[in-house]
Amino acid sequence: DAKTTQPTSMDCAEGRAANLPCNHSTISGNEYVYWYRQIHSQGPQYIIHGLKNNETNEMASLIITEDRKSSTLILPHATLRDTAVYYCIVRVSSNTGKLIFGQGTTLQVKP
Amino acid sequence: DAGVTQSPTHLIKTRGQHVTLRCSPISGHKSVSWYQQVLGQGPQFIFQYYEKEERGRGNFPDRFSARQFPNYSSELNVNALLLGDSALYLCASSFRQEHNEQFFGPGTRLTVL
Repeated sequence: DAKTTQPTSMDCAEGRAANLPCNHSTISGNEYVYWYRQIHSQGPQYIIHGLKNNETNEMASLIITEDRKSSTLILPHATLRDTAVYYCIVRVSSNTGKLIFGQGTTLQVKP
Repeated sequence: DAGVTQSPTHLIKTRGQHVTLRCSPISGHKSVSWYQQVLGQGPQFIFQYYEKEERGRGNFPDRFSARQFPNYSSELNVNALLLGDSALYLCASSFRQEHNEQFFGPGTRLTVL
């Protein structure tokens, strides 16, 4: 599975959009991009995933560049409850359930 | 529907002891994975079980073992505990082996003294 690079930490004002970047320059054609988050003292929570098209669900939007070497997770209207560590993971869909977590980005949403 | 449940919530053991952690997946989910999360780091994959068979193993010593029961619940066993085994142990379930969306439980906080 390809390696990802994320900033260590980011701040965002409450009510504003939070844009979390992820670099995955060695991603292969059959690898998906996944995002999970972990709120303090809880288990990780699945957010969204995509292959090459942009994706949107009730939680977030995922924008993947045309060359698929980077992506951005967008939380359109961040709230204090979105303060968490956000993990970007790339993996082949047909693999086992193994997820390789990096250090992630600690997002602090401030009032 | 109940989410993934884990027991116990917290556990304190001493070096050399063994521990058994338990996980009940979401109803209908047949795959269970275990992760270890040391303070300040992301979770690390330990095992995956699907249909009661081991389908994946991370880079952990043989002191770590697991099994899955006919009802798809799972146990993680750790023998000869070391101080470095102190961590949050997370269980995740999914409907199929390769399913991308995994649902995590709240974890068991293990402290080894």
